[in-house]
Amino acid sequence: LAKTTQPISMDSYEGQEVNITCSHNNIATNDYITWYQQFPSQGPRFIIQGYKTKVTNEVASLFIPADRKSSTLSLPRVSLSDTAVYYCLVGDSSNAGKSTFGDGTTLTVKP
Amino acid sequence: NAGVMQNPRHLVRRRGQEARLRCSPMKGHSHVYWYRQLPEEGLKFMVYLQKENIIDESGMPKERFSAEFPKEGPSILRIQQVVRGDSAAYFCASSPGTSGRMHSEQFFGPGTRLTVL
Repeated sequence: LAKTTQPISMDSYEGQEVNITCSHNNIATNDYITWYQQFPSQGPRFIIQGYKTKVTNEVASLFIPADRKSSTLSLPRVSLSDTAVYYCLVGDSSNAGKSTFGDGTTLTVKP
Repeated sequence: NAGVMQNPRHLVRRRGQEARLRCSPMKGHSHVYWYRQLPEEGLKFMVYLQKENIIDESGMPKERFSAEFPKEGPSILRIQQVVRGDSAAYFCASSPGTSGRMHSEQFFGPGTRLTVL
C-alpha cells in the first residue's frame, strides 16, 4: 500500500485559504486519493476523493498533479469550525479494508 | 436514514474482563470496518468484514480480539481478558461496497471509548 506523508500540524486564521499537501510517492495506477476530516470525539467524515487533476465539491477542492505523487486539499475561507484533523488516504476498492489513516494533519483555525 | 450506530458509547472494564462493542451499519451497507484510535494518534485499521465473512483481519491482534458480522444483527468486536493497553476509542465504519475501482466512502459511527481500569 502506498504510504502517505502529511504535515503534523498547521495553523491558520479565519477567512484564509488553507492548503494541506499529502505525499504518496508509491501510489499505484488503480489508487484513488481520499480525504477525511475528524473532529474531537467523533468519527472521521469523508470530504473529497479524486484520481487526477482537480476535483471540487461544496466543501473543498483537491488538486492532483500529473505524476500523482502528491495531492493538495484546499479549504477556502476557513472558519473556526474547520479546526480538525485531516487525513489523506490512498487506495482502491481492492484494498479498501487496509486504508490507513496515519496520524493526519491537525489544522487549528484562529480568530 | 440513521447513520452508523455504535454502542455503548463509553465502556469501562476491569483488567481480565471481556468487552463487547457493537456496530450497526447504515441501512443497505454490507461492508463493516473496525478501527482503533489511541489518544493523539490516527486511526489504525483492525478488521474488514462483510456479512458472515471476514475479508481482512490483518490489523487485528492475534490474541484476545475477534470480530463478527452475522447475517442478522450488528457487527461485534470482542476483546477478551482486557488489559490497560486496550483503552482506546474504537470506531466502526460501513460502506455500501465497492464503487468499481474507487475507494468506497466509509461512513463512521461515533465510536466506543473503552477504559480499562
